[in-house]
Amino acid sequence: EIVLTQSPGTLSFSPGERATLSCRASQTISSNFLAWYQQKPGQAPRLLIYGASSRATGIPDRFSGSGSGTDFTLTISRLEPEDFAVYSCQQYDSSPPTFGQGTKVELK
Amino acid sequence: QVQLVQSGAEVKKPGASVKLSCKASGYIFTHYIMHWVRQAPGQRLEWMGWINGPDGNTKYSKKFQDRVIITRDASASTAYMEVNGLRSEDTAIYYCARDYPQWSESGWSGCYDHWGQGALVTVSS
Repeated sequence: EIVLTQSPGTLSFSPGERATLSCRASQTISSNFLAWYQQKPGQAPRLLIYGASSRATGIPDRFSGSGSGTDFTLTISRLEPEDFAVYSCQQYDSSPPTFGQGTKVELK
Repeated sequence: QVQLVQSGAEVKKPGASVKLSCKASGYIFTHYIMHWVRQAPGQRLEWMGWINGPDGNTKYSKKFQDRVIITRDASASTAYMEVNGLRSEDTAIYYCARDYPQWSESGWSGCYDHWGQGALVTVSS
């Protein structure tokens, strides 16, 4: 199965800063079937990005996804107070679908 | 609007079984695959299996295929997941999630665009 590694585990930012999160796959994700989710404490994950770079319905354009092959990136252009959360990547290119361990974006 | 409402928290003893439910509304239940995903404390999300809306076919993670049964009641727009032989390591929040299908040259696959609120299952003696 494809192992997704997100590093670092925690990133610290101030509101208004730009955040760049990384997700690396152990094998090539050939169809760009890579998603990003946001999760806040006590809540279910929320789909942000699918197909590596397409924003899900209702997601603000400060969120963007990029990458291909084994290296993918989620960028938050200007952090808003509500963006401090855990972000997980998921590949659904091959079975079983797998998730990264998450990157926590915390307030500096 | 799409909603997935799950059954409540459960406390079970090791070796017991639990059956969770996920009631869907706001869309045609039989048109979509429904997945089950769990998250143990401090761990990454883990896919367990899915049930196909149109025909009720199922697919399971190899890790769980001997202990998990996913079913549905299409007339009630409800999916169920039963986990047998519970162990302490099964303590987790269990989510249902609707498939968001996409097409590529390799065929159809999907991520998850709507999630239930989660159900905490605690396994403890």
